[in-house]
Amino acid sequence: AQSVAQPEDQVNVAEGNPLTVKCTYSVSGNPYLFWYVQYPNRGLQFLLKYITGDNLVKGSYGFEAEFNKSQTSFHLKKPSALVSDSALYFCAVIPLRGNQGGKLIFGQGTELSVKP
Amino acid sequence: DTGVSQDPRHKITKRGQNVTFRCDPISEHNRLYWYRQTLGQGPEFLTYFQNEAQLEKSRLLSDRFSAERPKGSFSTLEIQRTEQGDSAMYLCASSLFQGAVFTGELFFGEGSRLTVL
Repeated sequence: AQSVAQPEDQVNVAEGNPLTVKCTYSVSGNPYLFWYVQYPNRGLQFLLKYITGDNLVKGSYGFEAEFNKSQTSFHLKKPSALVSDSALYFCAVIPLRGNQGGKLIFGQGTELSVKP
Repeated sequence: DTGVSQDPRHKITKRGQNVTFRCDPISEHNRLYWYRQTLGQGPEFLTYFQNEAQLEKSRLLSDRFSAERPKGSFSTLEIQRTEQGDSAMYLCASSLFQGAVFTGELFFGEGSRLTVL
């Protein structure tokens, strides 16, 4: 079965420290990979995506993610966390390259808490 | 750019009643998606449209669920004979599909929360 796993329900980080939110996937073919963020009482917002090319992709708000094909991972990172980064983060995949449906499969989410 | 809007934001209903949610996508977007999200879970795909055509439905979408996008603009999601298990956040998203391969991101609304008593 095609799936996305976010092994940590919650990640706690001190402001100014680096943060990592983990994501692994199990899909057939070469997937498109995404990170979305959900702030309280707000809709899901796109952060970044990997389609092809450089394994390190940069996105909004200083976030970046590294695609690792051998480990089937797409971890989200930021060098220096801000309190305002506190939110719910979702990893998502489109399973098949060339999938015209654009149907995203989401992980269960990771709650990021950044303390001052 | 007004974004994706959903109405109502909250709906409380009694078991057995019918409910309808509306989604207005970003105006130039030709694709529209419905997802369902329950507490502690990621969004689950329900169905999607390209213009007015419904191209895919999830097995999660029982016969009590129906979605339409009659003019290729707004969409409605109706749930008939609601059950307590239907309680969830219903998310709508839209995107612009061009060419043969979808590579873009989805733009989500804030969701419609359904509570079935």
